[in-house]
Amino acid sequence: DTGVSQNPRHKITKRGQNVTFRCDPISEHNRLYWYRQTLGQGPEFLTYFQNEAQLEKSRLLSDRFSAERPKGSFSTLEIQRTEQGDSAMYLCASSSIRPARTDTQYFGPGTRLTVL
Amino acid sequence: KNQVEQSPQSLIILEGKNCTLQCNYTVSPFSNLRWYKQDTGRGPVSLTIMTFSENTKSNGRYTATLDADTKQSSLHITASQLSDSASYICVVSESGGYQKVTFGIGTKLQVIP
Repeated sequence: DTGVSQNPRHKITKRGQNVTFRCDPISEHNRLYWYRQTLGQGPEFLTYFQNEAQLEKSRLLSDRFSAERPKGSFSTLEIQRTEQGDSAMYLCASSSIRPARTDTQYFGPGTRLTVL
Repeated sequence: KNQVEQSPQSLIILEGKNCTLQCNYTVSPFSNLRWYKQDTGRGPVSLTIMTFSENTKSNGRYTATLDADTKQSSLHITASQLSDSASYICVVSESGGYQKVTFGIGTKLQVIP
């Protein structure tokens, strides 16, 4: 399967614990995005990487959230001291810089986080 | 503030019938507009993408239209099938050095037999 993969698919944690999610983009894609989606809502942008550089972070990404893409390939999203409001689906997407102006984002299956 | 509004929020139709979903946006400067289908518990899957110069694009039973002057788009589904039951999300991208995207909240479509 050459699509975007995310692990784990589901995570249940207790409030206050740290969690880390992983995203493996499509291999030739140099852009990688993280989104958060709550029930009945569209995805909300969290952060964006071009290669290993984190070019933008949403204000939704509080100090408890950190994302990395150390070698420009896979990415991790860590949430520290989780809160119940962090419960959501975390989606990763990747895209290629070429062809320009189309930049279709291909989404992974998401990681569903439940904070008890 | 860039916004993407979709209507209706939810829709129930009989199998075999057609339906049209609407998307209005205020994103500027505009780069492209995409429609995604999202099954429950899964990531969105791209259906169509249109740039400024494109008025219509088809993908099987899905036909999307774009009016860049009025900043409106529609997604028409022909001869609906039970498997069309999903959320349909309109996504608009800004142009620039890299593309920012604004998502609509989606239209939840249920096709019933």
